[in-house]
Amino acid sequence: DADVTQTPRNRITKTGKRIMLECSQTKGHDRMYWYRQDPGLGLRLIYYSFDVKDINKGEISDGYSVSRQAQAKFSLSLESAIPNQTALYFCATSDPGLSGNTIYFGEGSWLTVV
Amino acid sequence: EDKVVQSPLSLVVHEGDTVTLNCSYEVTNFRSLLWYKQEKKAPTFLFMLTSSGIEKKSGRLSSILDKKELFSILNITATQTGDSAIYLCAPYYNQGGKLIFGQGTELSVKP
Repeated sequence: DADVTQTPRNRITKTGKRIMLECSQTKGHDRMYWYRQDPGLGLRLIYYSFDVKDINKGEISDGYSVSRQAQAKFSLSLESAIPNQTALYFCATSDPGLSGNTIYFGEGSWLTVV
Repeated sequence: EDKVVQSPLSLVVHEGDTVTLNCSYEVTNFRSLLWYKQEKKAPTFLFMLTSSGIEKKSGRLSSILDKKELFSILNITATQTGDSAIYLCAPYYNQGGKLIFGQGTELSVKP
């Protein structure tokens, strides 16, 4: 089983609809992240969380919200999806402890907003 | 403002060539720099660099960090078609714990 699991893996939704992307991890890490990837722009940070009570905005948080329901779960919501939110979304975890700052990614969620 | 710039943005080479990918950064409270390889799915970890001048190697790949000049390079020798991918660098901040990625270098290795 994957250490970082994202659902759904692919989703097509209509403009104005609410969509939630879910992420769960089995690595026991406190830190979790949501990124989006667009061609030519690399990975851009949307939100990150250092523990259940700590949520921080990233570079491009407008139009997104997150919820850290438990240490292992971090979900990303688009309250009213728009076409320019069509992208590949990655969830990731890290533990800057003994193992260093290596970050572990989920498999990605393709979201298309039509 | 924190900034990460990778160059070139894309590169096409033939098998057997050697390539050098560049990553320059301007971040506060720098802690380490990570390199990732991304094929058709999630990025996979290559290297983490924390000290200047110490080369890290893994097979045909190597990387080095210059904390004075704020850049890192990733070298790939004797390239193979399986090296075709997007290579991402990301400095990791001590304060805030953010990991900010560069735009990536898309490498295409032709037979």
